[in-house]
Amino acid sequence: GAGVSQSPRYKVAKRGQDVALRCDPISGHVSLFWYQQALGQGPEFLTYFQNEAQLDKSGLPSDRFFAERPEGSVSTLKIQRTQQEDSAVYLCASSLAHVSTVNNQPQHFGDGTRLSIL
Amino acid sequence: QKEVEQDPGPLSVPEGAIVSLNCTYSNSAFQYFMWYRQYSRKGPELLMYTYSSGNKEDGRFTAQVDKSSKYISLFIRDSQPSDSATYLCAMSAKREEGGSTLGRLYFGRGTQLTVWP
Repeated sequence: GAGVSQSPRYKVAKRGQDVALRCDPISGHVSLFWYQQALGQGPEFLTYFQNEAQLDKSGLPSDRFFAERPEGSVSTLKIQRTQQEDSAVYLCASSLAHVSTVNNQPQHFGDGTRLSIL
Repeated sequence: QKEVEQDPGPLSVPEGAIVSLNCTYSNSAFQYFMWYRQYSRKGPELLMYTYSSGNKEDGRFTAQVDKSSKYISLFIRDSQPSDSATYLCAMSAKREEGGSTLGRLYFGRGTQLTVWP
């Protein structure tokens, strides 16, 4: 597709369940980012991949959060033992830039997965 | 205090008005400045992208960066009802040698704008 695709668009889970969120970046984009957006707030950085390598995971809020991109294209964000505070929109963004220019290339966002934990 | 501050509004203006949106920041390492537009239940859409200080114009939109004051602005001329959305400023630092600032964007909380006909 032409843009970043995320699925599912909406996910409702009970507290304590595990969830998996998927991101399909723009074809050919080597950089991939995950952000978390709480209601009424701006997105907050979670993690960054260059191809299949996870180069920065400093924004992951706890060890319950895990992200992977095994073949350097599709990425999955997994949250284990979900808590109510995990309720948010999870945004994926991709960029054409390689690591040497990733700071000065624009990021293109998907429409996010809206996660609600009951 | 957050690294990027943005007044959440809401801001409500009549069609045709000039809209001024702005953000302040505290990290002098920020070099790249962006404005994103976000419609309800949609992802952020890149509007403007600038490097360092100065002005950039694209149609009805003008972005200004004043690094000495750590202040950025977005102006929308001849505003339209279709401009009604949340506007997010974002910025990133130059990559530090061996550092962990690879591509990370720092966002303001967004300003909610309504343009009424």
